[in-house]
Amino acid sequence: NIVMTQSPKSMSISVGDRVTMNCKASQNVYNNIAWYQQKPGQSPKLLIYYASNRYNGVPDRFTGSGYGTDFTLTINSVQAEDAAFYYCQRIYNSPTFGSGTKLEIK
Amino acid sequence: EVQLVESGGGLVQPGRSLKLSCAASGFTFSNYYMAWVRQAPTKGLEWVASITNSGGSTYYRDSVKGRFTISRDNAKSTLYLQMDSLRSEDTATYYCTRDYHYFDYWGQGVMVTVSS
Repeated sequence: NIVMTQSPKSMSISVGDRVTMNCKASQNVYNNIAWYQQKPGQSPKLLIYYASNRYNGVPDRFTGSGYGTDFTLTINSVQAEDAAFYYCQRIYNSPTFGSGTKLEIK
Repeated sequence: EVQLVESGGGLVQPGRSLKLSCAASGFTFSNYYMAWVRQAPTKGLEWVASITNSGGSTYYRDSVKGRFTISRDNAKSTLYLQMDSLRSEDTATYYCTRDYHYFDYWGQGVMVTVSS
């Protein structure tokens, strides 16, 4: 089974900063990765699919990149409303989520 | 507007059964795969099961195989999850999702607590 490992587990960032979080697959998953944002008390929301495609309505400060085993979610000019957990997911067979990165805003 | 509304959660004793429902609206339900994803308290997300648009094929994570059954009624635009032989580790919020291989729409979730 493919394991998805996210890092860091948490980060504290100031408004306006640039954030980079990582997702590593234990095997080659090509571009079959999605990213989700989950705010406290809410359902997850799809941000990025197939590694780099921004979903409908997602602000362009969110960017996904990577291929194979190493993937990155970047948030340019972080806003206060971006405080949330972020999860990567291996798409297709037996979908697998990473354990998440908690983004706090200072 | 796409809406997914779960129901049927609650407190249940270990070994007992529970059936979740998800009423879908705002899209042609019969055209889409659907799935259940769960989240234990303070934990991350975990895919549980998926079903093809016709209902002809189903897929499960290993820990629920033989205990959970995903099904759908396309005439009623409703997704189901029959959960038997429940264990404490099944305690979680269960989300109904539209399965495009990634999960593009999510319900608000329904809580299932397995405890004596």
